[in-house]
Amino acid sequence: NAGVTQTPKFQVLKTGQSMTLQCAQDMNHEYMSWYRQDPGMGLRLIHYSVGAGITDQGEVPNGYNVSRSTTEDFPLRLLSAAPSQTSVYFCASSYSTAANTEAFFGQGTRLTVV
Amino acid sequence: QKEVEQDPGPLSVPEGAIVSLNCTYSNSAFQYFMWYRQYSRKGPELLMYTYSSGNKEDGRFTAQVDKSSKYISLFIRDSQPSDSATYLCAMTGDRGSTLGRLYFGRGTQLTVWP
Repeated sequence: NAGVTQTPKFQVLKTGQSMTLQCAQDMNHEYMSWYRQDPGMGLRLIHYSVGAGITDQGEVPNGYNVSRSTTEDFPLRLLSAAPSQTSVYFCASSYSTAANTEAFFGQGTRLTVV
Repeated sequence: QKEVEQDPGPLSVPEGAIVSLNCTYSNSAFQYFMWYRQYSRKGPELLMYTYSSGNKEDGRFTAQVDKSSKYISLFIRDSQPSDSATYLCAMTGDRGSTLGRLYFGRGTQLTVWP
């Protein structure tokens, strides 16, 4: 039972480069989201999706794009990497009903932008 | 002002101590309250889940919710070195923009020393 799988685990980018962080879940969850975690800042929501074809912005969406073509996958694209995007990124999935919102997190992607 | 406030600590206690972790919130639409535990270099995992006001106990852990004060707590009895982690409170609602979306506190870093 894989749960939520994120790839890669580590990445170093140069300023201006673009890349895609991959996230896949095998639990048939409707709700998927991307967070970034910085020291002292907690988890901040970047983008989320309530189902295939539906995405919305979270708290800190600038510089990131998402799409949701299937229930299983929710990739996060960095358009032009900046040092301020150095962070640990977590993908999470859950059912979308309030009574069953346990979020399952991936192991994270540690991104460094130099 | 963030919708969920949590003292980031750090908190350091001796083994066997009772630990109290707290969060306050401002959105009265929140109905479901959770505590996640995050070990170093891992993704968060759900620890406790409570609906509306009241107490919930699970082994050495007790979660309390006081909706009238917009205040939630997590108590850890007989703390162990294995409890050393970051504890994040999270909450969500069952209507409107809060449905299915988790709002996290910043997390409190706890160290239990032998």
